Amino acid sequence: TQLLEQSPQFLSIQEGENLTVYCNSSSVFSSLQWYRQEPGEGPVLLVTVVTGGEVKKLKRLTFQFGDARKDSSLHITAAQPGDTGLYLCAGSTGNQFYFGTGTSLTVIP
Amino acid sequence: DTGVSQNPRHKITKRGQNVTFRCDPISEHNRLYWYRQTLGQGPEFLTYFQNEAQLEKSRLLSDRFSAERPKGSFSTLEIQRTEQGDSAMYLCASSLGLAGSYNEQFFGPGTRLTVL
Repeated sequence: TQLLEQSPQFLSIQEGENLTVYCNSSSVFSSLQWYRQEPGEGPVLLVTVVTGGEVKKLKRLTFQFGDARKDSSLHITAAQPGDTGLYLCAGSTGNQFYFGTGTSLTVIP
Repeated sequence: DTGVSQNPRHKITKRGQNVTFRCDPISEHNRLYWYRQTLGQGPEFLTYFQNEAQLEKSRLLSDRFSAERPKGSFSTLEIQRTEQGDSAMYLCASSLGLAGSYNEQFFGPGTRLTVL
């Protein structure tokens, strides 16, 4: 069962462009995390959002949690080659933990 | 500050053999999680521990998979009678697990398993 669907699955953009990644579910989550993963390594936590409608900014990254706490988005402004990686959303319900399908981002210099 | 460590980083085995992976969590973290990740996919939750108690194991992929955390510190994941379909990255993560925390998990580098 894939509780968290991410879109797009793949994204290739030029340096300096903006992008948005979406994480959608029919389930309500008490909190949702975003991670970034590089090849051959474990995911690295970027942010946690917990309140419906919450917006968090981390330098050029803006994270939003949907009002109903079922979806989230990640917006990157002026993407840089160092932003290249696999972006994952994750949430938990009860004793179950779910990761999204992932968005593979490539930023071309 | 030591993060989550996993050993070995790579394991190559023949089909039918048993393999065991070790995870050492961040020292003050009560919760420990195991995931499997195949190429191009997000991690797939397998099981987790709160201290030494295994609170969820219904998502272990088959009865060939088992995990332990005998003293509430390090954990091991064993796969018996490995199959080629078991080839994947096995990730371990830990979190504080305190009331009011939000399951913010910190991951190890993973163990890459290849079954020939």
